[in-house]
Amino acid sequence: GQQLNQSPQSMFIQEGEDVSMNCTSSSIFNTWLWYKQDPGEGPVLLIALYKAGELTSNGRLTAQFGITRKDSFLNISASIPSDVGIYFCAGQRNNDMRFGAGTRLTVKP
Amino acid sequence: KAGVTQTPRYLIKTRGQQVTLSCSPISGHRSVSWYQQTPGQGLQFLFEYFSETQRNKGNFPGRFSGRQFSNSRSEMNVSTLELGDSALYLCASSSTQLGLGNTIYFGEGSWLTVV
Repeated sequence: GQQLNQSPQSMFIQEGEDVSMNCTSSSIFNTWLWYKQDPGEGPVLLIALYKAGELTSNGRLTAQFGITRKDSFLNISASIPSDVGIYFCAGQRNNDMRFGAGTRLTVKP
Repeated sequence: KAGVTQTPRYLIKTRGQQVTLSCSPISGHRSVSWYQQTPGQGLQFLFEYFSETQRNKGNFPGRFSGRQFSNSRSEMNVSTLELGDSALYLCASSSTQLGLGNTIYFGEGSWLTVV
């Protein structure tokens, strides 16, 4: 099945900078989820979004469920070295799940 | 509350063999879904089980199968292993079925290497 379009593919930023990444799809989703995955580990849930237009924060992380239900973005403010990892978006529709290819984030101290 | 537990964490198999992976969901969760993650294809959905019934299946060959027990624990089996089956296999659990506005939680995964 068609995966989600996630961008950027990778980011190299300086500690303290803000980060923004997004996922888009040609299909509508009922739920958007954002995960972070460290090497050799399973994805860890960061933020879950259940309603179109919903804006949710978790510490320095903020994510929004696009009003068209076809996109979502994740912002990280004031990045720190431990933010390094791969960030995935996931969309749920009916009884199916699709994933973005991931955004690899590198934070330089 | 214990998270999603997957066993084994690492295993090496030979082409043609079969493998069984196990997943214990978060207590109280009835949905277990399985995913394959590879560098080339990313995360791909394999199938979901809810109340011991397979609800949905991704685009994988019949060599990939699974089942769920009455205590919600799930197993995934891959028969006649191929080199391309080498991947991280992730299990995730949720309180309700996928797509009903629920959140899913992943285990740490089982690393399978086929030689």
